[in-house]
Amino acid sequence: DSGVTQTPKHLITATGQRVTLRCSPRSGDLSVYWYQQSLDQGLQFLIQYYNGEERAKGNILERFSAQQFPDLHSELNLSSLELGDSALYFCASSVTGQGFAEAFFGQGTRLTVV
Amino acid sequence: AQRVTQPEKLLSVFKGAPVELKCNYSYSGSPELFWYVQYSRQRLQLLLRHISRESIKGFTADLNKGETSFHLKKPFAQEEDSAMYYCALGGAQSGSARQLTFGSGTQLTVLP
Repeated sequence: DSGVTQTPKHLITATGQRVTLRCSPRSGDLSVYWYQQSLDQGLQFLIQYYNGEERAKGNILERFSAQQFPDLHSELNLSSLELGDSALYFCASSVTGQGFAEAFFGQGTRLTVV
Repeated sequence: AQRVTQPEKLLSVFKGAPVELKCNYSYSGSPELFWYVQYSRQRLQLLLRHISRESIKGFTADLNKGETSFHLKKPFAQEEDSAMYYCALGGAQSGSARQLTFGSGTQLTVLP
């Protein structure tokens, strides 16, 4: 158990819908990363938050957004869903600043868009 | 900009044979490099990090700054080593936040 919790584990929804994925980082970790893993694209970095502020943006679509709350949990919102959004979405957290950038991963949310 | 390249998408070896998974990076600063392993699309787990110079499950990796490489090696592969392996670079410090960049991954299959 990495200490990073993601809910829900599985999600099935229809095209055009909106979903919210939730991530609780390890205790003490200030940074949260979101990744999308699909069969054809591999592990794609979406976005990073540090202590409530957006710090880095990767290949995140405009239909997707995220935020990190004062209690440091994070949510990834996916809207106007398309079939191609079906993927495994991972959240990771790390202690940033001094020290390592080692990230601890949650078990992922498997999103299926039908 | 920071980049991680894993040139082999798929790699197959026989049980007991040596295995090397290649990783090259591009980064102007002092990098922190990691190998993560993912079994059957489960949670990614940290396998090892260059700074600790440890050996986990028989795997080792040496940072070669001259060649900007961090190849993962194991002298005798086991069937349970079959998994997806990701090389990752921690760098691009922005304020007090560090960004982790992953390579595209190498799927290792160890054949009986």
